[in-house]
Amino acid sequence: AQKITQTQPGMFVQEKEAVTLDCTYDTSDQSYGLFWYKQPSSGEMIFLIYQGSYDEQNATEGRYSLNFQKARKSANLVISASQLGDSAMYFCAMRVVFGNEKLTFGTGTRLTIIP
Amino acid sequence: EAQVTQNPRYLITVTGKKLTVTCSQNMNHEYMSWYRQDPGLGLRQIYYSMNVEVTDKGDVPEGYKVSRKEKRNFPLILESPSPNQTSLYFCASSLQPMNTEAFFGQGTRLTVV
Repeated sequence: AQKITQTQPGMFVQEKEAVTLDCTYDTSDQSYGLFWYKQPSSGEMIFLIYQGSYDEQNATEGRYSLNFQKARKSANLVISASQLGDSAMYFCAMRVVFGNEKLTFGTGTRLTIIP
Repeated sequence: EAQVTQNPRYLITVTGKKLTVTCSQNMNHEYMSWYRQDPGLGLRQIYYSMNVEVTDKGDVPEGYKVSRKEKRNFPLILESPSPNQTSLYFCASSLQPMNTEAFFGQGTRLTVV
């Protein structure tokens, strides 16, 4: 079974600072994918970034990067130069290759950007 | 525009009154899922479908039913809703390859009184 742990229930960060959201995962599978989703107060789930277990380079998408440390089983999301619009709930999730297409989610981190 | 459409967005109902939440996707995705989101628990999978007429239980299937008669539609049925099914529900669809993200519907906030 897969498990995602997000240990930061809430974070407050000053605008324009970088922020790191922690995510650790547990799986016995060798092939898996790691995802980050953003959920603003309006409720929708917005895909941010993906990292495959065999990808050698850390994924980046604009201001988002994923700090992937396979040996530590961590997949932290880094947001550079935070903006007020980054205030939201952030979920880390995992999908394994063999099995149903289920995404296993963490409990989320609520990020608040302070002006 | 590629999207997953859920209806209704908000629903208040009474215990025991059957209801259906619809989900439709226009991306020709094979995989569709239902999740529920509860505070402190993240999102948990209720049911999933790998293709037409192929459905299976997720982690929290009790009290729910699904069907997949057409590729684009994957309705969630609550035959006899109870207050513990008050939650935020998401439908999601994706292609088969693992490295593709799941596309989520807008969510349905259900309250059972």
